[in-house]
Amino acid sequence: DAKTTQPNSMESNEEEPVHLPCNHSTISGTDYIHWYRQLPSQGPEYVIHGLTSNVNNRMASLAIAEDRKSSTLILHRATLRDAAVYYCILLNSGGGADGLTFGKGTHLIIQP
Amino acid sequence: GAVVSQHPSRVICKSGTSVKIECRSLDFQATTMFWYRQFPKQSLMLMATSNEGSKATYEQGVEKDKFLINHASLTLSTLTVTSAHPEDSSFYICSARDYRKGGNQPQHFGDGTRLSIL
Repeated sequence: DAKTTQPNSMESNEEEPVHLPCNHSTISGTDYIHWYRQLPSQGPEYVIHGLTSNVNNRMASLAIAEDRKSSTLILHRATLRDAAVYYCILLNSGGGADGLTFGKGTHLIIQP
Repeated sequence: GAVVSQHPSRVICKSGTSVKIECRSLDFQATTMFWYRQFPKQSLMLMATSNEGSKATYEQGVEKDKFLINHASLTLSTLTVTSAHPEDSSFYICSARDYRKGGNQPQHFGDGTRLSIL
């Protein structure tokens, strides 16, 4: 599986935007970029995913670099409930029967 | 949205006990479900892939006789930790994907089961 690299931790203030980076320089053309987050003592939660174009949903936006070697998860207005570990994971389009490979993720700290 | 229910949420039992954890997809069918394990301050590690109507596929280093998986229907997979010992204490999490929607769709996770073996 292609590997992703994320900062260990980031800190932001409540009600401000947060940009979480992810590097995936060995991504293949058929790899989708998925983001999940895990709140304390809970299972992971799907956030967003994309292939080439930027994506928006009610939770976040995903900005994908033109060469697809990096991406950024954008939380437009962070709240205390967004404090979690965020995982950037690559999943091949043919990998429907594959489990996910979780890295260490980014621990997002939100200051009130 | 797609929901995965996991039960029980917490188990505390004595060493040597076998513990069964259930994972259900509530509003979709899942031919494949996944079981993960997470130790404190670590990331999730895939243990096994549960296939409906056939044998599970285990990741390297995971004992299939220790962690029994049964996927008897399109909405239920069970993980049984047999003769559990303190080193099996961990956070066990299941997930499933609705394959009718294509292979690149997200996985939906249960809330996890915290297993503590005394």
